[in-house]
Amino acid sequence: GQQVMQIPQYQHVQEGEDFTTYCNSSTTLSNIQWYKQRPGGHPVFLIQLVKSGEVKKQKRLTFQFGEAKKNSSLHITATQTTDVGTYFCAGPQGGSEKLVFGKGTKLTVNP
Amino acid sequence: DAGITQSPRHKVTETGTPVTLRCHQTENHRYMYWYRQDPGHGLRLIHYSYGVKDTDKGEVSDGYSVSRSKTEDFLLTLESATSSQTSVYFCAISDWTGEHYGYTFGSGTRLTVV
Repeated sequence: GQQVMQIPQYQHVQEGEDFTTYCNSSTTLSNIQWYKQRPGGHPVFLIQLVKSGEVKKQKRLTFQFGEAKKNSSLHITATQTTDVGTYFCAGPQGGSEKLVFGKGTKLTVNP
Repeated sequence: DAGITQSPRHKVTETGTPVTLRCHQTENHRYMYWYRQDPGHGLRLIHYSYGVKDTDKGEVSDGYSVSRSKTEDFLLTLESATSSQTSVYFCAISDWTGEHYGYTFGSGTRLTVV
């Protein structure tokens, strides 16, 4: 079945350092979504990318969708303690409404 | 998010007992999902619904059943709880119309089976 893989599984950074998480799908995706889950919280939708090669920015967060629409990345510039949490990517299963989630990258930030 | 609530928030139950978790939405979204989250496994789909009385299995459906008698409510039942079902359960909703929109998740139910 379709698989969505994320690396790294864990990342620990000093506050102010940059952070990147990578997402790879076993199949071509119609879109990819990113979610953030704070410790003890629930996943919260961040963004959706649809177009090949698309790049979107949200303040210090930059999201990219690969040209082949099989990979994506999330880059955080100058991390802050508020960035702590687990970041998930997710892609639709086939052409359906169901999302397949990656296992997430857990980010910790040392102040 | 205010449009989706899960109950209970926490539950401890004994092995072999039935348990029902409730997801309630006020968004009138067509699609509802139950996921479980376990360390090292991320979010895995248990069951989902694409309308009243229309449900289907996800990747980890064994030992679980669901019902949706109203648009706003989606129930997840553990027929006979086992320790392997100790997990955090999240409900999610979406309004998929052929184009994707982000899921909205509930706050989760932490279930412990002893």
